[in-house]
Amino acid sequence: NAGVTQTPKFQVLKTGQSMTLQCAQDMNHEYMSWYRQDPGMGLRLIHYSVGAGITDQGEVPNGYNVSRSTTEDFPLRLLSAAPSQTSVYFCASSFEGPRYEQYFGPGTRLTVT
Amino acid sequence: SQQGEEDPQALSIQEGENATMNCSYKTSINNLQWYRQNSGRGLVHLILIRSNEREKHSGRLRVTLDTSKKSSSLLITASRAADTASYFCATAPAGGTSYGKLTFGQGTILTVHP
Repeated sequence: NAGVTQTPKFQVLKTGQSMTLQCAQDMNHEYMSWYRQDPGMGLRLIHYSVGAGITDQGEVPNGYNVSRSTTEDFPLRLLSAAPSQTSVYFCASSFEGPRYEQYFGPGTRLTVT
Repeated sequence: SQQGEEDPQALSIQEGENATMNCSYKTSINNLQWYRQNSGRGLVHLILIRSNEREKHSGRLRVTLDTSKKSSSLLITASRAADTASYFCATAPAGGTSYGKLTFGQGTILTVHP
């Protein structure tokens, strides 16, 4: 199993550009989530999904969109990038939500200039 | 605001010593989890302790949970240089509208000197 994969590893955007961060898992997990990690802030939940077709907002959802059309994939869309979205983004999955251990991807380092 | 708060923020010890990190939280939980993050990498799950458990062991790791004080501790015994990493606690809510949300603390940076 590849586990949780994320692409790209690094990305530089200009303010106002849009892009999609990809996340995929091959463990048939129902629950997937996106976090951002900033220095001194720990990880903050952006959006999560408890199954295909079901998504909900986390702690810091503004400026981000998600959809979950398949069990395997959970892309994160930045609609109009801002410098405040410069961060490291992690995708995670688990069998059935926060009551189980989370499997994390390697992260995407995003810089918005 | 962060559900989990960890202390110390940074810990520096010699190889062979024990390392203890603490996590406090604010609301009722279903479980508390500890993760390790090596520099530039994703998080790796270490141990999960449920609200009805008081202590759990995994190899050199010992986790305790005191729900009356809303706190947990992670003890790493006989530390090795390879244990150098950031350690995070994360809490899963007991229920309600926050059911799907796992909340992380700010982490403890552990440095183990050879």
